[in-house]
Amino acid sequence: GAGVSQSPRYKVAKRGQDVALRCDPISGHVSLFWYQQALGQGPEFLTYFQNEAQLDKSGLPSDRFFAERPEGSVSTLKIQRTQQEDSAVYLCASSLVTLAASYNEQFFGPGTRLTVL
Amino acid sequence: RKEVEQDPGPFNVPEGATVAFNCTYSNSASQSFFWYRQDCRKEPKLLMSVYSSGNEDGRFTAQLNRASQYISLLIRDSKLSDSATYLCVVNPMDSSYKLIFGSGTRLLVRP
Repeated sequence: GAGVSQSPRYKVAKRGQDVALRCDPISGHVSLFWYQQALGQGPEFLTYFQNEAQLDKSGLPSDRFFAERPEGSVSTLKIQRTQQEDSAVYLCASSLVTLAASYNEQFFGPGTRLTVL
Repeated sequence: RKEVEQDPGPFNVPEGATVAFNCTYSNSASQSFFWYRQDCRKEPKLLMSVYSSGNEDGRFTAQLNRASQYISLLIRDSKLSDSATYLCVVNPMDSSYKLIFGSGTRLLVRP
């Protein structure tokens, strides 16, 4: 079946521009996650959704970062007034697990590589 | 100090070699442990979970030492296709969903 998809795959923005990154999780997956992966580093947790509810946004680096999942499926990560330090790969992952359950595998999408000039 | 620490490598080994990676974690209350594999410019994929009793999947063996807060991955009979970055991943006790990744260890298997 189809995996997690993300678009665009590559995005170049000028400093100060707003960007929107899209994630289509695996159909039926309740949980959705966003991670940021800087060059040479492992992914870092940004935020977590269970259906449409954003249950954890502790990893969002600033109030310029905003994520939503209004209908409990597709999610958008928006970055306002982009800065050079926002340059990274943004990974989306989904899983079947709900908050109360034990850990279940997260399946990652291919990521969006954001370059801010 | 990072929550999960790994030697970045690269480990450069010939085909057929045995190679081991180590990882340490700082939160003694961490509950679940994994190794993920990430190919260049690709997404991370789960390689295997790590259990206290140790577990094996073909050429791959994972070990957990809770007392020393140490996780290992052993790859036997290395293949060219094993070349990738191996990410040590911890699931903290206060969260059933959050993954904490190490920076990864790069493996290069040469012919």
